[in-house]
Amino acid sequence: SQTIHQWPATLVQPVGSPLSLECTVEGTSNPNLYWYRQAAGRGLQLLFYSVGIGQISSEVPQNLSASRPQDRQFILSSKKLLLSDSGFYLCVCDRGAHGYTFGSGTRLTVV
Amino acid sequence: GNSVTQMEGPVTLSEEAFLTINCTYTATGYPSLFWYVQYPGEGLQLLLKATKADDKGSNKGFEATYRKETTSFHLEKGSVQVSDSAVYFCALSRLGNYGQNFVFGPGTRLSVLP
Repeated sequence: SQTIHQWPATLVQPVGSPLSLECTVEGTSNPNLYWYRQAAGRGLQLLFYSVGIGQISSEVPQNLSASRPQDRQFILSSKKLLLSDSGFYLCVCDRGAHGYTFGSGTRLTVV
Repeated sequence: GNSVTQMEGPVTLSEEAFLTINCTYTATGYPSLFWYVQYPGEGLQLLLKATKADDKGSNKGFEATYRKETTSFHLEKGSVQVSDSAVYFCALSRLGNYGQNFVFGPGTRLSVLP
């Protein structure tokens, strides 16, 4: 079966500090992977999309970046966090005809 | 643009009460509609879906009907249980540049008391 490991579950970081959120997928090969963010009081917003190693597409301009160093690894990063980066971050795997698998999410608070 | 609006809660009910969580959407074309559930400490799971107007999705006693005339997809359950306590997300999917992309509502936290 397919699973997604996403960590950490919660994170408190000071403004200006770097960020690295990691997502790894098991049980599938060459998945399409997404990073979503839910800011307070808003729905989930698509941030990045990846169809394969080294292939990243960004839906909205922002202070964040993403990388796909391995087929089953998707990393969300920032060099300097802003207060507005606070939110709930979700890694999602597209299983094609089998639907989507979601990670458990990371709640980031920038202070 | 595409958007989803749902009652934000929190919603607190007694066991065996009737549940309704309202969801309305704005979309171009003909999106598919979903309800996802997140139990404490777990990831999002698909609860039910409907892919065209008048379709009814159902699962675990929950139901929702795709109403194009009112652009709604309200979630209902006749008798809730304590184990239904979770956050419920209404969502639509739209065809983006790279495939199906989701637009989620803000989520509704449900607490069911024994």
